[in-house]
Amino acid sequence: AQSVTQLGSHVSVSEGALVLLRCNYSSSVPPYLFWYVQYPNQGLQLLLKYTTGATLVKGINGFEAEFKKSETSFHLTKPSAHMSDAAEYFCAVSRYSSASKIIFGSGTRLSIRP
Amino acid sequence: EAGVTQFPSHSVIEKGQTVTLRCDPISGHDNLYWYRRVMGKEIKFLLHFVKESKQDESGMPNNRFLAERTGGTYSTLKVQPAELEDSGVYFCASSQNRQGPGETQYFGPGTRLLVL
Repeated sequence: AQSVTQLGSHVSVSEGALVLLRCNYSSSVPPYLFWYVQYPNQGLQLLLKYTTGATLVKGINGFEAEFKKSETSFHLTKPSAHMSDAAEYFCAVSRYSSASKIIFGSGTRLSIRP
Repeated sequence: EAGVTQFPSHSVIEKGQTVTLRCDPISGHDNLYWYRRVMGKEIKFLLHFVKESKQDESGMPNNRFLAERTGGTYSTLKVQPAELEDSGVYFCASSQNRQGPGETQYFGPGTRLLVL
């Protein structure tokens, strides 16, 4: 069975500070890993995903995440937070197949302080 | 290209009533998924269509929920009769089924259902 744990339901950082959102996963098979973002009153948008290959994945809006198999982690980072980054972020995992359901973490709401 | 659309955006109904949610996937996408987020909890998978066939309906909570995808285009999710615990946001997503492993699912804006 697969599962995702996001540490911290709410994270607050100052504008310009480092953003670090933590995600750990559990999977008995090679996972595919995703980060989605939901801005207020909008749907889920894919930030980035890891399937195979390079373990450091770059996404949209300056975000990146690193797949660490030994730590079963896929933390999301951004060097400098912007006010527009305020949103809810979801880490997710799916199985090694061409089309498969996604299992989501509980989400982390990111607030940016001026 | 239009994204995934969902209708209605909001629905408020009374316990015992029926509600039907609609999802229009991105044109040409064979895969269609329904997910639900109950307030304060994680987003959970409900079911997966490949064209008009149900590939995986392991997440459907009970037989009050009925999903259809006639003709392999849009899909409906009917809740009958609705209960209080059905309140939440219902998301629809679609994907092509041609990109290979880990293909991206594109999500709609969701339908916010409130059962009173």
